[in-house]
Amino acid sequence: GAGVSQSPSNKVTEKGKDVELRCDPISGHTALYWYRQSLGQGLEFLIYFQGNSAPDKSGLPSDRFSAERTGGSVSTLTIQRTQQEDSAVYLCASSPGGTRLETQYFGPGTRLLVL
Amino acid sequence: AQSVTQLGSHVSVSEGALVLLRCNYSSSVPPYLFWYVQYPNQGLQLLLKYTTGATLVKGINGFEAEFKKSETSFHLTKPSAHMSDAAEYFCAVSPLRGATNKLIFGTGTLLAVQP
Repeated sequence: GAGVSQSPSNKVTEKGKDVELRCDPISGHTALYWYRQSLGQGLEFLIYFQGNSAPDKSGLPSDRFSAERTGGSVSTLTIQRTQQEDSAVYLCASSPGGTRLETQYFGPGTRLLVL
Repeated sequence: AQSVTQLGSHVSVSEGALVLLRCNYSSSVPPYLFWYVQYPNQGLQLLLKYTTGATLVKGINGFEAEFKKSETSFHLTKPSAHMSDAAEYFCAVSPLRGATNKLIFGTGTLLAVQP
C-alpha cells in the first residue's frame, strides 16, 4: 500500500516568504507527526496530531510555525516569514493509533532551502 | 529531560566485518527504544524496536539490538556488514511519561562500509 507522501520534495524560497509543506499520511492512521532534520539540531519533534484531540505544539520553534490537519488526514505545515535557519529537511510521519509502542512511518521529507 | 546519546557520528567498517553502533539513553524509567535507518535522500525506516519482553530484538536486514537496563544501552549490531548497509542510523526513544508519543532521536551515526 501507499506510504506517507510529502510535497514538494524540494523547496527553495527567499528569506521573508511564507511556505507550505504538505503531508499525506498512510490511510487510516490517526496519528501524524512533524519532525525537522537539520545539521545543527539533528532530528527534532515539531508537532503531533492525534484524531480529534488538540495537537501537541510543544516542539514548534517559534510562532512563525503552524500546522493544520484537515479531516483527520492531510496535514500542512506553514512557515511564515522564513529565515535562513529554517533551512532543513521537514519529515512527516504517521502511525495507526498514536500509542507509544507503535512504529512511526516516515515520508521522504521536504528539503527546504531559504536563501 | 530524556536524551539519547549515540557515540561516534561516523563509523567505518570493512565489508564482512562486525557492525556495532552504540546508543545510550537517559531515563529513570526505561522508555521504548527504536533504531531507524535513513538511506540518502529518503525518509527513516524502522530497523527494530524494543517495547517489552525479550531484551534481544531482531530486526530487518540481519540487524539486532540488545536492551540492557543496567547499562541504559540499546546497541545495534550486525555480524557481517554488507555494502548496502551504508546509511545513517538513528537511535530513538519514546518516553513512557508525557502526553505525546513523540520520538526523541540521537544525533545519528553515519556508517560507511569499505570494500
